[in-house]
Amino acid sequence: AQKVTQAQTEISVVEKEDVTLDCVYETRDTTYYLFWYKQPPSGELVFLIRRNSFDEQNEISGRYSWNFQKSTSSFNFTITASQVVDSAVYFCALISGGSARQLTFGSGTQLTVLP
Amino acid sequence: EAQVTQNPRYLITVTGKKLTVTCSQNMNHEYMSWYRQDPGLGLRQIYYSMNVEVTDKGDVPEGYKVSRKEKRNFPLILESPSPNQTSLYFCASSEGLREFFGPGTRLTVL
Repeated sequence: AQKVTQAQTEISVVEKEDVTLDCVYETRDTTYYLFWYKQPPSGELVFLIRRNSFDEQNEISGRYSWNFQKSTSSFNFTITASQVVDSAVYFCALISGGSARQLTFGSGTQLTVLP
Repeated sequence: EAQVTQNPRYLITVTGKKLTVTCSQNMNHEYMSWYRQDPGLGLRQIYYSMNVEVTDKGDVPEGYKVSRKEKRNFPLILESPSPNQTSLYFCASSEGLREFFGPGTRLTVL
């Protein structure tokens, strides 16, 4: 079985603050893929990043960065200098290796960035 | 434009009245799936399909049916909807390991 835990249900920050969203995963497979999605108030799901289990390099994309640590089974997401437009629900998700291709989501973190 | 479409976007119905939510993708993807989103639970997979005529249960398949007669379409069928199926539903298609999600269908069952 696989599981994704996002312990932070809601986070509020003031604009320009940095914020980190936590994601802890569980899987017995050695090959797996981790994802982050953003769901703005409009409701659509926006793909942000995919990470393979065999690639532990951290990634930066503009104000977004991701810290993948297999030793702690975590895939945390940091937004630097947050903006009001970053307000959304953020989901972490996992696909494990094997023929049953099932995407498991965490429960999501509601991020509110205040002006 | 590459996209996944769902119809209807909003639906209010009554218990027991059969309904179908359509899903269509124009990217020639083999893999398609349905999710429901409920507060505090994230998205949970209902059914998925690896290819035409190949479907399988996800985490929460009870009360739902699907069919995959053509590659582009993957309708979700609720034969006898109940209030606990009130939810936000997403269809997705993928190639490789990136999901493309539809805009969502908000279903209310009274």
